[in-house]
Amino acid sequence: AQRVTQPEKLLSVFKGAPVELKCNYSYSGSPELFWYVQYSRQRLQLLLRHISRESIKGFTADLNKGETSFHLKKPFAQEEDSAMYYCALTSGSRLTFGEGTQLTVNP
Amino acid sequence: GAVVSQHPSRVICKSGTSVKIECRSLDFQATTMFWYRQFPKQSLMLMATSNEGSKATYEQGVEKDKFLINHASLTLSTLTVTSAHPEDSSFYICSARASDTSNTQYFGPGTRLTVL
Repeated sequence: AQRVTQPEKLLSVFKGAPVELKCNYSYSGSPELFWYVQYSRQRLQLLLRHISRESIKGFTADLNKGETSFHLKKPFAQEEDSAMYYCALTSGSRLTFGEGTQLTVNP
Repeated sequence: GAVVSQHPSRVICKSGTSVKIECRSLDFQATTMFWYRQFPKQSLMLMATSNEGSKATYEQGVEKDKFLINHASLTLSTLTVTSAHPEDSSFYICSARASDTSNTQYFGPGTRLTVL
């Protein structure tokens, strides 16, 4: 069975500090991994996909198959990055979400 | 592009009544739509996968007779909560997967259901 684990429910950093949101997964096949973000009072939206290998809003995430991880990183956090972040894995079309990490970036 | 809408955004109903929630893909065709439920401060829980023109596939533990799903067109799926009870109160979110892309899902804004 597939599973996504985000060990930190809450993460608080100061503006300008680096931030890393952890995500580990278990899946027997070749996973496709995503990070979704939900800003306050807004819908869930896609932040990035591992197959795109892109940087969105300064965030990057590298799939590490050896460690079964897909951690989200940003070198300099901004206050507008404060949001709920969900790591998700898909098999076929079905998405499995982690529990989410609430990131707060303090001024 | 890739906008998904839901209607209504908020609904309050009496126990025992039925409530219908609509999910529409506004600018793309979606062969597959998904219905999730989210409790406060918790993650999204997949309820069912809806394919256009066929019966929905429900996740384990989700009553198909209670949560009726219809996906009659490539841009519309509906979720009907039948004989609602207070424990059905939750945030219901739909998503749609565009036909011509990979596994990226686009999410609606959600519907807050409160059953009195």
